[in-house]
Amino acid sequence: TQLLEQSPQFLSIQEGENLTVYCNSSSVFSSLQWYRQEPGEGPVLLVTVVTGGEVKKLKRLTFQFGDARKDSSLHITAAQPGDTGLYLCADPPVGGATNKLIFGTGTLLAVQP
Amino acid sequence: NAGVTQTPKFQVLKTGQSMTLQCAQDMNHNSMYWYRQDPGMGLRLIYYSASEGTTDKGEVPNGYNVSRLNKREFSLRLESAAPSQTSVYFCASSQTAYGYTFGSGTRLTVV
Repeated sequence: TQLLEQSPQFLSIQEGENLTVYCNSSSVFSSLQWYRQEPGEGPVLLVTVVTGGEVKKLKRLTFQFGDARKDSSLHITAAQPGDTGLYLCADPPVGGATNKLIFGTGTLLAVQP
Repeated sequence: NAGVTQTPKFQVLKTGQSMTLQCAQDMNHNSMYWYRQDPGMGLRLIYYSASEGTTDKGEVPNGYNVSRLNKREFSLRLESAAPSQTSVYFCASSQTAYGYTFGSGTRLTVV
């Protein structure tokens, strides 16, 4: 079973600061997804990265997939209180009929105004 | 709005009671899933249904049963609730591995 480790577990920062969170795997990812979960809600898909070395940007969020496809990072520039939430990486298995999604343990981010 | 609807949103049970968590999706997705979320443990898959008429165990199936009633509905049943089943339960659906949509969760407390 693939293990997804995320770091840090908790992060509390001031509005306007930059931050990076990480997702590492014990084996190679076929692809990787990042989700954000706001308090009281279910996770919402932010991005899917597929190719080693790939970089995707979503406004102030930059997602990077490691060259060896065993790690990924999420960088937030000038964090805002609206960025507060639980950030989860997930490994969507390719092929078959199951499409089971395996999640990491998450990074809980609090952005103080 | 299209999406995944879960009921109830909150529930308190006594140890040994039974209940069914309901989930319905209106996106015509083939696959549906039940996850539980506990502090420090992320989301863990309980059961999933790859298509109508099929169900399979996930990572933590003990103490639960599921029914894929039709393409839209996937229910999770606790036959005899235990305090260890206190958690937040999420239902999700997908058509492919790249398109998961989650409900807003059911917060269950077993006392």
